[in-house]
Amino acid sequence: KAGVTQTPRYLIKTRGQQVTLSCSPISGHRSVSWYQQTPGQGLQFLFEYFSETQRNKGNFPGRFSGRQFSNSRSEMNVSTLELGDSALYLCASSPGDRGGADTQYFGPGTRLTVL
Amino acid sequence: DQQVKQNSPSLSVQEGRISILNCDYTNSMFDYFLWYKKYPAEGPTFLISISSIKDKNEDGRFTVFLNKSAKHLSLHIVPSQPGDSAVYFCAARRSSNYQLIWGAGTKLIIKP
Repeated sequence: KAGVTQTPRYLIKTRGQQVTLSCSPISGHRSVSWYQQTPGQGLQFLFEYFSETQRNKGNFPGRFSGRQFSNSRSEMNVSTLELGDSALYLCASSPGDRGGADTQYFGPGTRLTVL
Repeated sequence: DQQVKQNSPSLSVQEGRISILNCDYTNSMFDYFLWYKKYPAEGPTFLISISSIKDKNEDGRFTVFLNKSAKHLSLHIVPSQPGDSAVYFCAARRSSNYQLIWGAGTKLIIKP
């Protein structure tokens, strides 16, 4: 099976702009989770989508939004970019219905730089 | 409120010796625990997991131990190899909630 893919891999934007990141999960996986990782920080959870519905949400401002399509592909949007949004954005997919054993598999990430 | 804690930001171990990475949690409702390994500029890679009904799970060089009374788990890597140098994250969840709660990570450095 192909792994989780994320596009683009690298992105440079300026403050005030908006950006859309894309994630294609492993075939058959219905859950997609998004994380932000900044230098020296762990993984900060943004949100999780399962079968096109947001199932869990982290503590990020409303500028961060997402959606999931019927083929399980997901997009994340950040509006009105701030310098502090510069980070590695990671997407993880999982079957989404295996309880505790629902293992997440990560994509390579999108490196966003805000100037 | 940090529910999953990895109190050692870094750990240095000689090649061939045992590496022990520790993780503590505060939420007694957590019933599944996972370890991930992460290289710079890459996504984390799943290593090993353990359910709260077990106290040990082994996969090759990697063993995870769970002490529920102490709310503590550890990852043992034996023997340590240079390719094990990476950041290791532990994560936990309640089976009823698919959100993983992550620790801050421990950077493991294997010295030749």
